[in-house]
Amino acid sequence: QVQLVQSEAEVKKPGASVKISCRASGYTFNKHAIHWVRQAPGQRLEWMGWMHAGSGNIKYSQSFQGRLTITRDTAASTVFMELNTLRPEDTAVYFCARDFYSGVPAAILDPWGQGTPVIVSS
Amino acid sequence: SSELTQEPAVSVALGQTVTITCQGDSLRTFYASWYQQRPGQAPVLVIYNQNSRPSGIPDRFSASNSGYTSSLTITGAQAEDEADYYCNSRDNTDNPVVFGGGTKLTVL
Repeated sequence: QVQLVQSEAEVKKPGASVKISCRASGYTFNKHAIHWVRQAPGQRLEWMGWMHAGSGNIKYSQSFQGRLTITRDTAASTVFMELNTLRPEDTAVYFCARDFYSGVPAAILDPWGQGTPVIVSS
Repeated sequence: SSELTQEPAVSVALGQTVTITCQGDSLRTFYASWYQQRPGQAPVLVIYNQNSRPSGIPDRFSASNSGYTSSLTITGAQAEDEADYYCNSRDNTDNPVVFGGGTKLTVL
């Protein structure tokens, strides 16, 4: 079955960077985009960006321009999300999710990874 | 960028029917998708492409669309349907994906 497995929880100090991995299995990795979405405690889902795993095409949310980098390792069927210059308000659970359709992202997210908690605190 | 607006909270008696709405400019062009999120879990897709259900989603979940609004209906709500529900869609602004604020559904 299609599955996304994310890396473990992280604790970071303000100003540091965090890099989270999302390993895909159960489908042809390079046919779909992977999205990153975060959820601060008690807050809404917030879309961060996507990368098409085949073409490498990337789109970032304006809210994260300049701080967010999404990369991939096609041999390992893994997508990475790196967020730098962390602030306490970046404390959240970070999810990866596959775009339902192959090709151009349709923003239909299925399935989702299990989530990676990130705590930013001095 | 565009936003999608949902009711913050809705309640329904066990076995009754409930509708949750999602409004926004992007829904004039794109269909909404709907996600169920139980506490401490990742979201799960329940509706996409106007009114399609992924494999494994019960047929008591359905959706309809009109103008700027998408509506998720649960017909015969069950205790396990108690969760947060989020809508999202594509968008034509600089941020191509937008989420609603979420609706907390309580089953009484």
